[in-house]
Amino acid sequence: KAGVTQTPRYLIKTRGQQVTLSCSPISGHRSVSWYQQTPGQGLQFLFEYFSETQRNKGNFPGRFSGRQFSNSRSEMNVSTLELGDSALYLCASKLKYRSATEAFFGQGTRLTVV
Amino acid sequence: TQLLEQSPQFLSIQEGENLTVYCNSSSVFSSLQWYRQEPGEGPVLLVTVVTGGEVKKLKRLTFQFGDARKDSSLHITAAQPGDTGLYLCAGSPNFGNEKLTFGTGTRLTIIP
Repeated sequence: KAGVTQTPRYLIKTRGQQVTLSCSPISGHRSVSWYQQTPGQGLQFLFEYFSETQRNKGNFPGRFSGRQFSNSRSEMNVSTLELGDSALYLCASKLKYRSATEAFFGQGTRLTVV
Repeated sequence: TQLLEQSPQFLSIQEGENLTVYCNSSSVFSSLQWYRQEPGEGPVLLVTVVTGGEVKKLKRLTFQFGDARKDSSLHITAAQPGDTGLYLCAGSPNFGNEKLTFGTGTRLTIIP
């Protein structure tokens, strides 16, 4: 079974631009979550989608948005990029295990804003 | 906001030594997971524990969930260079809520 696929792996953007990142979850997984990882803040939750609906949202400004398509693929968009948006953006598809939820991560998209 | 504090933040030991990494919170979690992340890659799930007091073993790694479901530990026996990486704990705050809260991370380096 293929894992979580994120594209692109690397991006360099200029301040003020916008960017769209893509995530294809593991086949059959309907829940997709997005995280931002930086050395200073660690892994921060952005939002979660399930069956095309946003189910949870983290504490990020409105410049960060996302969506999920009927095939469970998800995109996140960051508008008006700032230098501080430079980070590794991780997508995870999730699956229930007993009473828990397990996350399976993609390799991430390394975004550099210059 | 439920926080997960990991300690130590950094750990560097010689190959063959044993080590323990801790994950602590003042809040109760319905389940807790451990992940390992290598540079430039996404975290990889190692284990999930869901019952207070539960102990799971994965080869040389032993994971324990605290009785009160507020803490967890990861013990590595006879560490090897392949164990090097960033170890993250993550918890689900309550049953039915699938949002995962990640710990602050422990960066482990095993010196050959």
